[in-house]
Amino acid sequence: GQQLNQSPQSMFIQEGEDVSMNCTSSSIFNTWLWYKQDPGEGPVLLIALYKAGELTSNGRLTAQFGITRKDSFLNISASIPSDVGIYFCAGQPFPYSGAGSYQLTFGKGTKLSVIP
Amino acid sequence: EADIYQTPRYLVIGTGKKITLECSQTMGHDKMYWYQQDPGMELHLIHYSYGVNSTEKGDLSSESTVSRIRTEHFPLTLESARPSHTSQYLCASDGGGYNEQFFGPGTRLTVL
Repeated sequence: GQQLNQSPQSMFIQEGEDVSMNCTSSSIFNTWLWYKQDPGEGPVLLIALYKAGELTSNGRLTAQFGITRKDSFLNISASIPSDVGIYFCAGQPFPYSGAGSYQLTFGKGTKLSVIP
Repeated sequence: EADIYQTPRYLVIGTGKKITLECSQTMGHDKMYWYQQDPGMELHLIHYSYGVNSTEKGDLSSESTVSRIRTEHFPLTLESARPSHTSQYLCASDGGGYNEQFFGPGTRLTVL
């Protein structure tokens, strides 16, 4: 099945720095989603992308749907301590087919640590 | 935004016990999912449902079972818990056309 390669696996940054992480695949995706998960909690949807080339912002977060439909990146500007957590990308593979077509494929996550 | 609830949040039980993890959502979403996740690791889909009386197994083999008798309710049952079942279980729902899944807070299960 389709796989998502998410990088980096982990990162340590100083408060105030900008952060960038990305997901790539050898397959085409229809939808890209970015989630953040705090310890002991469920993932929370941050940004959803639906069209190739789409660039969407949510506060200090910006994400883009790659033009080839095989990648996406998430940027966080001016990081703060509450940005700490695990960020997951997820995608809806193309094409739709059969009963499993609504499932998402998830990356393995980027663990972000922010040093005050 | 979906409101999705999971109970209990934490559960510690002995080997061989039967348990049911509850998941409910108030948005009338047709699609619901159960994931298993070890701390800090990737999510593994174990069950999903696209509507009442519809359930399917996911990519990760699981000894659990699910049922979908009502749209809002998607419980997961382990007939005989084992230490290998120790994990976090996440429930999610999706009701729109864009495959945006909304997650509950999770149940942290420990089997002794």
